[in-house]
Parts: sequence; structure tokens; C-alpha cells
Amino acid sequence: EIVLTQSPATLSLSPGERATLSCRASQSVSSYLAWYQQMPGQAPRLLIYDASNRATGIPARFSGSGSETDFTLTISSLEPEDFAVYYCQQRSSRPLTFGGGTKVEIK
Amino acid sequence: EVQLLESGGGLVQPGGSLRLSCAASGFTFSSYAMSWVRQAPGKGLEWVSGISGGGASTYYADSVKGRFTISRDNSKNTLYLQMNSLRAEDTAVYSCAKDRAVLPNNFDFWGQGTLVTVSS
Repeated sequence: EIVLTQSPATLSLSPGERATLSCRASQSVSSYLAWYQQMPGQAPRLLIYDASNRATGIPARFSGSGSETDFTLTISSLEPEDFAVYYCQQRSSRPLTFGGGTKVEIK
Repeated sequence: EVQLLESGGGLVQPGGSLRLSCAASGFTFSSYAMSWVRQAPGKGLEWVSGISGGGASTYYADSVKGRFTISRDNSKNTLYLQMNSLRAEDTAVYSCAKDRAVLPNNFDFWGQGTLVTVSS
């Protein structure tokens, strides 16, 4: 199975700052990587699929990049509602797998 | 509006069985793959199982293979997860998730989940 490693585990930033989250795959997943946001007590929300495609209704401040084994989720300017946990997920091979998550917290 | 409503969770002893259901509405159910994803208390997301839109293809995480069975009834717009030989490490909130495509890939809508607790 493909292991996804997210870093850092926690990111402490202030509103308005830029957030850069990393996801590394144990083997190539081509561009088949997605990002989700999970607020406390809520279901995850799909942000990005296939590395760089924003899902329906996702603001332009969220962007994804990368390919093969190294991927990045960038939030250009953090809004108060962006402080949450973010997960990456690969669909290159089954079983589908998630990364361990990065918590973006208010500094 | 897409809605996914899980039911069937509860407290079960180790070695026991439980059947989860997910009632779907607001989209053409048979056109999309569906999956079960779980989250242990305070932990991350774990994909458990997925099924193709027509139901012919099923997929499992290694941790549940041989113990869990996913199925769907497209006439009732309902997804199921039969869980047998339950272990303490299966304790989690189980959520059903709609896929973007006909095979399990990415999940664009999620239910709120049902809690399964495995304990004596």
C-alpha cells in the first residue's frame, strides 16, 4: 500500500499569512492526489483533486501542486475559517490511503 | 442537495457483528462509487472499503479484508457495511462518502458518521 507522509504535523500561523503544507508518497502516485479540510466535529470537505484541480465551490486562495511523490497545498492568505486539519489522499492504487494530517492552528 | 445518513452504529463486544447502513439522496446513486471511511477518536482518516456504482467491484483495506463486506442496493439508494469479527481497534466513527466517479477515487460528499464502539 502507498504510504502518505504529511508535514509538518502542526503549522502555527496568523490570519493573512501564507500556509504551505506538504504530502510525500512512498511511491509515485502520478497526479492522483487530493486534499481535504476537516473542521472540528465536521465531515471532511474535498478541496483539491488530481493534484491541482479545485473542487466545486472552493475559494481561489487554495491551490495544489506537485506530481509523482511530492505535493503541496498552499493557502495564499489564511482566513479565520481555514484553521483546521488537512489531509492528503491518493487514488493511484487501492487500497486508497490518507496521510496523517496537518493541523493549521492560530498562532 | 446531496444527503448521506448513516445508521447502525453502537456498542458491540469483541468478536461480534454489526451492520451499518447509509441512506443516500439528492443524486443518481447508481452512477457513483461509494466508500466507507472511518476515524478513530482523535485520529486521522482511514479508508475502509469502496464499491463501484453498479456494485460489481468491491475494494477493502488490508485491515478489514475478510471481516467486512460492503454492498449496495441501488433500488433503495442505500449502502451497507457488514462488519464481522470486530476488534477493539475497529472502534471509530464510520462515515459513508460519495465518490466523484463510478469507481472509488475521491470523495466529494460525506455523511456525519455513526459511532462504532467495540468493547467488553
